[in-house]
Amino acid sequence: AQSVTQPDIHITVSEGASLELRCNYSYGATPYLFWYVQSPGQGLQLLLKYFSGDTLVQGIKGFEAEFKRSQSSFNLRKPSVHWSDAAEYFCAVGAVNDYKLSFGAGTTVTVRA
Amino acid sequence: DARVTQTPRHKVTEMGQEVTMRCQPILGHNTVFWYRQTMMQGLELLAYFRNRAPLDDSGMPKDRFSAEMPDATLATLKIQPSEPRDSAVYFCASLRGVTDTQYFGPGTRLTVL
Repeated sequence: AQSVTQPDIHITVSEGASLELRCNYSYGATPYLFWYVQSPGQGLQLLLKYFSGDTLVQGIKGFEAEFKRSQSSFNLRKPSVHWSDAAEYFCAVGAVNDYKLSFGAGTTVTVRA
Repeated sequence: DARVTQTPRHKVTEMGQEVTMRCQPILGHNTVFWYRQTMMQGLELLAYFRNRAPLDDSGMPKDRFSAEMPDATLATLKIQPSEPRDSAVYFCASLRGVTDTQYFGPGTRLTVL
């Protein structure tokens, strides 16, 4: 079964600074990988996803993520954060021909002025 | 802009009462998921349906929880009797195909006193 680890529970970053959120997955084959964002009181919104092809994936809101098979990682980055990026971020992994996703525990991002 | 809708958005009830949560998936999406989110356990998959048939409900406490899809436009999650430990946010999500994206509803925040 697949699993996801997000090593950072909470990250604080200054507005305008860069952000990187870590995600490591465990799965025996090529995974489907996702990043979702959850603002307080809201549902989860997809930022980006990786199924195959180019390992650098562009998403919404200026986010990107890079799939590194050798490191079993799918880290999320943003060059310059905005106060509105304060939220909780979830990495998820899915398997080929399986509808289920396994979610990480989430990383809470705080943006300071 | 197609969305997953959930009702009610908030529910406060007393221990022992029956609770029913409803979800309307995006039109054309034939796979529906129920998740529960708590601070302690994070995001847990309770059950999911494909073409209205349950595919996996192993994450759901069978003695008090039940999930159904009476038709393609409605999924229900019922708790009877409810307990304080059921207090959580319950999310519904839907998707069209295995390589599609799961779209989440806004959630039902349940408080059992």
